[in-house]
Order: sequence, then structure tokens, then C-alpha cells
Amino acid sequence: AQSVTQLDSQVPVFEEAPVELRCNYSSSVSVYLFWYVQYPNQGLQLLLKYLSGSTLVKGINGFEAEFNKSQTSFHLRKPSVHISDTAEYFCAVIRIYNQGGKLIFGQGTELSVKP
Amino acid sequence: NAGVTQTPKFRVLKTGQSMTLLCAQDMNHEYMYWYRQDPGMGLRLIHYSVGEGTTAKGEVPDGYNVSRLKKQNFLLGLESAAPSQTSVYFCASSPTEGLAGVTGELFFGEGSRLTVL
Repeated sequence: AQSVTQLDSQVPVFEEAPVELRCNYSSSVSVYLFWYVQYPNQGLQLLLKYLSGSTLVKGINGFEAEFNKSQTSFHLRKPSVHISDTAEYFCAVIRIYNQGGKLIFGQGTELSVKP
Repeated sequence: NAGVTQTPKFRVLKTGQSMTLLCAQDMNHEYMYWYRQDPGMGLRLIHYSVGEGTTAKGEVPDGYNVSRLKKQNFLLGLESAAPSQTSVYFCASSPTEGLAGVTGELFFGEGSRLTVL
């Protein structure tokens, strides 16, 4: 079975500073990887995804993530954060070739951007 | 642009009561899911459905039942509510495509906050 670990439950940063949210996964088979964002009192929305190809993927709102197969990591980065990036971020995986389609989420990381 | 709609958005129950959460999607998606979200635990999959008339258990199915009688609707039932089921419940749907059968891109509702006293 696959699992996802987000290494930081809370990440406070100042506005315009860079940020990295860490995600590691374990799986015996190949997976697709995702980052979702949840703004206060809302549902989740897709930020970016890695399916294949270039290991550096770009998403909405200036975020990017790098897939590292050897380290089984998919860390999320942004070079300069804004107050509006304050939200909870979830890493998720899904097994390739699995018609069951179960998306498994990490525990979430609360990003708090301070002025 | 309705997308995924959940009703009700808020509900307070007493221990032992029953209730049903309704999820409706208008995107013609095959796959639908029910997750619960608890602080520090992320989203955990309760049940899911890969098509009309089918359901399957997720990570935390105990105490819940589901039905998918129509493609656009996915119902989550609590037969005898317990305080441990106090949570925020999210429904999601997903189109099917790609090698995995799904894209992994889930479309979420806004959540249903359930409190069991």
C-alpha cells in the first residue's frame, strides 16, 4: 500500500520569503503525485500534478514541485510567498494502472504567511 | 457552474441518530469519493465509487454506508452516529482517463461539518 508523509505540520514564513513544503511517499509501484491547496472554509483544489516527463512541474499561483524518484520525494516550492498563500497544503498519491482510483492524502501542512 | 454540491453544510446530531449526506455532481464524472477531514490527520477516504451502482471501502469505512443509485449522486449514511464521527466531510468526483484510469484530479465540494454530541 502507498502512504504519504508531510514532514511539517506548520510552516510560518514572512511575506516575500521563499518556502518549501516537504512531502515523501512510499509505494511498491509507480505513482502519480499531486499537491492540493485548501483555503479557509473551502474544499480542496488542485495546485499541480506529476504524471510523467519532466521532474519539475509548475502549478498555479507560482508554485512548483520536483519529483525525486530516488528519494521518493515531491517537495513543493515557491520563491516568494504572498499573504494570500496562507492555506493548508496536501500532498497526495495515486497508483498508476490501478482502476480503483484511490487518491491517498498526507496529513497536511499549514502555511502561514506573515506581513 | 455548480460542480460538486454537498447538502447539508452543517448538522448537529445526538449519539445514536442517523443521517444521510448527499453529494451531487453535474460534470458526468464516473468516480466519486467521500473523505473525512480531522485536524492533523489530513483527508481519509471513507468509501468511493467507480461508477453507477458500484461502491467500495476506503481507509476508514466502519460506521458508514454509501449508495450510488444514480451516476450524479453519491450518498453517505450514518446509521447510528457516534462522537468519533464528528468531522468535516468532503465529497469529490473525478473523470476517468489516462493509464491509471483516473487523472487524480479530484473536484471537491465545500464540505459538510457534522457534530455528534
